[in-house]
Amino acid sequence: DGGITQSPKYLFRKEGQNVTLSCEQNLNHDAMYWYRQDPGQGLRLIYYSQIVNDFQKGDIAEGYSVSREKKESFPLTVTSAQKNPTAFYLCASSIRRDALGSGGPIEYFGPGTRLTVT
Amino acid sequence: GQQLNQSPQSMFIQEGEDVSMNCTSSSIFNTWLWYKQDPGEGPVLLIALYKAGELTSNGRLTAQFGITRKDSFLNISASIPSDVGIYFCAGRITISNFGNEKLTFGTGTRLTIIP
Repeated sequence: DGGITQSPKYLFRKEGQNVTLSCEQNLNHDAMYWYRQDPGQGLRLIYYSQIVNDFQKGDIAEGYSVSREKKESFPLTVTSAQKNPTAFYLCASSIRRDALGSGGPIEYFGPGTRLTVT
Repeated sequence: GQQLNQSPQSMFIQEGEDVSMNCTSSSIFNTWLWYKQDPGEGPVLLIALYKAGELTSNGRLTAQFGITRKDSFLNISASIPSDVGIYFCAGRITISNFGNEKLTFGTGTRLTIIP
């Protein structure tokens, strides 16, 4: 099946530890994104990547890092510098807009990883 | 980053009722997307809108791209139990012909169906 995989579904860490969240897609999408969702709030963009070996900061990048060494993979590291890391993390991917004939790119989301840091 | 004003924040309705929610922005958007999120899951796309005035349906769902390009609404007719969840609008401003500009998300409308 084609889609976006995030693992694990639930992750628990002690404060002060770095943790890496996995995101894999087999949709052949060029662009990938990481969002953070807090209870009762919308989605906020952490980092995004439009092409392999390139990525840009989103609205709340502080305390996070990413890499994009392969087209299908976009791991997110939550570092100890992130002051409030407990949240629901969502990965998404889309086709680059310049590869589309009309309309626009649509972000498709993975199932999410709930990270709890104590 | 900017956020969209989405209302209402929550709705409590009886099965069979129609539902209406909307998003407004101070900025013009070129694309409006509507997603539904079930608890503990990722959002699923419902409807995509690309032109001002566009009215698009997906089963019992209908969404419109506002003429001013600063708003959009989503209607659900004859609600059923599986409609329960959080609905998000998302807008995109197209700046260039290269690359994907960021989506801006609304804060969500939580739909609850009262038995």
